[in-house]
Amino acid sequence: KNQVEQSPQSLIILEGKNCTLQCNYTVSPFSNLRWYKQDTGRGPVSLTIMTFSENTKSNGRYTATLDADTKQSSLHITASQLSDSASYICVVSVGQAGTALIFGKGTTLSVSS
Amino acid sequence: NAGVMQNPRHLVRRRGQEARLRCSPMKGHSHVYWYRQLPEEGLKFMVYLQKENIIDESGMPKERFSAEFPKEGPSILRIQQVVRGDSAAYFCASSPWTGEGYTFGSGTRLTVV
Repeated sequence: KNQVEQSPQSLIILEGKNCTLQCNYTVSPFSNLRWYKQDTGRGPVSLTIMTFSENTKSNGRYTATLDADTKQSSLHITASQLSDSASYICVVSVGQAGTALIFGKGTTLSVSS
Repeated sequence: NAGVMQNPRHLVRRRGQEARLRCSPMKGHSHVYWYRQLPEEGLKFMVYLQKENIIDESGMPKERFSAEFPKEGPSILRIQQVVRGDSAAYFCASSPWTGEGYTFGSGTRLTVV
C-alpha cells in the first residue's frame, strides 16, 4: 500500500532555532517527492520537488534531502522565523506520469518568540 | 495571474442539500485536480480532469459525488444529499501539463449541519 509517514506530528521551537522534519514513504513506482508548506486556512504551497536522482535541494532557508535507497526524506529549516509556523507536508508522486500524489498527514510546526 | 481561484471559501449546508464547489484554474492550465482534507488528516486525491474529460476518478466516492470541467467556465465538484461526514476542506489544484507545476487554491471549507 502506498503510504507517506511524517514525524514528528507536531513540533514547537524558539525563533532563530533550526529544525528537521522527517518523511518515510513506501510508494511504488516513485516519480518525485515534494515538500509543501500549508498555512492555516490556505492551500499548500510548494517548497521543493526532487526526483529519484536528486539528493538535496534548497529553497532559501529550507533544505530538503532525499535518500531513495532507504525511502526517506527530510526538510531542514534554518534560523526559523515566526512566519514558518505552518503545517509541512511531504508528498510523493506515483507512477511515470506522476499524476497521483500521496500526501503525508503533515508536521505542524509552531515557532515562538 | 490570479492563481487558482476557489469559491466559495466557506459553505454551510444542511443535511440532504446539495453542495457545489467551484475551481477556476490558473491561466494556461488545462489540468485540474480535486482533493479532500478531513480534520487531522492529509489531503486525499479525489479526481483528475482535463477540459471536458474525467481522466482519473479513483478517489471519488461512487455515490453522491460528481465532477466536471466544461469547455468554458470553472471546474465544479458537486456533492448531492450531503451528510455530516462530508464536512471537510476541499482543495483544487491545477497544472499546465500532467503532474507538473501543481498550484493549489485556498480551498472551500464545507460544513454540513
